[in-house]
Amino acid sequence: EPEVTQTPSHQVTQMGQEVILRCVPISNHLYFYWYRQILGQKVEFLVSFYNNEISEKSEIFDDQFSVERPDGSNFTLKIRSTKLEDSAMYFCAGTSGGGHGELFFGEGSRLTVL
Amino acid sequence: GENVEQHPSTLSVQEGDSAVIKCTYSDSASNYFPWYKQELGKGPQLIIDIRSNVGEKKDQRIAVTLNKTAKHFSLHITETQPEDSAVYFCAASLASGSARQLTFGSGTQLTVLP
Repeated sequence: EPEVTQTPSHQVTQMGQEVILRCVPISNHLYFYWYRQILGQKVEFLVSFYNNEISEKSEIFDDQFSVERPDGSNFTLKIRSTKLEDSAMYFCAGTSGGGHGELFFGEGSRLTVL
Repeated sequence: GENVEQHPSTLSVQEGDSAVIKCTYSDSASNYFPWYKQELGKGPQLIIDIRSNVGEKKDQRIAVTLNKTAKHFSLHITETQPEDSAVYFCAASLASGSARQLTFGSGTQLTVLP
């Protein structure tokens, strides 16, 4: 069964460093998302991406965050200057059906900012 | 924006008993209500969903009910098995076009005791 693949599974970084989280979506998916889950808290929407541009973003997704899909396969989330409060599990998700299709989530990338 | 409340936060049942998890939502425009199961170290996996034009949906041992007037929806698992033990999340969204901004509940840790 096809699956969403995320790397790294766990990254530890120093505050202020840049981090890039990578996702390889399922091949026929067209709509891509990043969500995050701070330990013990709700899963929160960050951003949606379609046709090579952001279609929606939450207030969490400020200027220090960016997404891109440069080569048509990897979908990346970049955090320019990490803060302690960015420590969380970051989930990539995708769907072929836009607002009406099932969302498939990856297994997540755990980010720890020291 | 949308706010989803989920109860209970933890639930223990004996194998073979039923489990019920309840969620309320705030935005009457929401029209899509998925339930996700998250096993340890994995991403959320869709187990069942319901759209606002339907009051109830069943898939084998799992059923979901939706009361649009009261703005609440529930997950029912019958004949629970130890492998049902996981964290369950409800979510709500306005599904349209490319948008899929899911708002999640805080999760329910279900433990099925053998």
